Amino acid sequence: AQKVTQAQTEISVVEKEDVTLDCVYETRDTTYYLFWYKQPPSGELVFLIRRNSFDEQNEISGRYSWNFQKSTSSFNFTITASQVVDSAVYFCALQGARGDTGRRALTFGSGTRLQVQP
Amino acid sequence: DGGITQSPKYLFRKEGQNVTLSCEQNLNHDAMYWYRQDPGQGLRLIYYSQIVNDFQKGDIAEGYSVSREKKESFPLTVTSAQKNPTAFYLCASAGTRGSEAFFGQGTRLTVV
Repeated sequence: AQKVTQAQTEISVVEKEDVTLDCVYETRDTTYYLFWYKQPPSGELVFLIRRNSFDEQNEISGRYSWNFQKSTSSFNFTITASQVVDSAVYFCALQGARGDTGRRALTFGSGTRLQVQP
Repeated sequence: DGGITQSPKYLFRKEGQNVTLSCEQNLNHDAMYWYRQDPGQGLRLIYYSQIVNDFQKGDIAEGYSVSREKKESFPLTVTSAQKNPTAFYLCASAGTRGSEAFFGQGTRLTVV
């Protein structure tokens, strides 16, 4: 069974603060993919990043960075110098790579609501 | 523009009524998915389809039905058997395994 846990339900920060969103996952697959999505108030999910289980390099994209650690089954997301436009719900998701076609669907965490105050 | 279109954006259903949510994609993706989102919760998988004329139940399929007669289309019917249908419904499509899923803008269904 696959599971994604986002223990932080809601985080509130003041603009320009750094913030880290935690994601812990469980899977029996040796090959799998991890994702982060952003859900602004409009509701549509916006893709942010994909990582496969063989690539543990951290990634930085502008103010966003991701820390993937297989040893702790974590895939954390950091926003540096947060801005009001970063306010949204952020979801971590997992996709297995074994034969069961059902698990090609993404398994989502419950999401973390980020509020960035001006 | 390539993408996924869901309609309608808002839908109101009376008790005992079936309603159908539309999902169309022009991304040439084989896989399509329906998710349900309740307030403060993550997305739960209702149904998915990996290919035309084939679909499988997800984690919460009871009270829902789907069809996949065309690659581009994956409509979801919320039947009267679904006891608590008020939720936000999201449709997604994806290409090869490991590629990101693209989501529609969602349909907010309310029972009145």
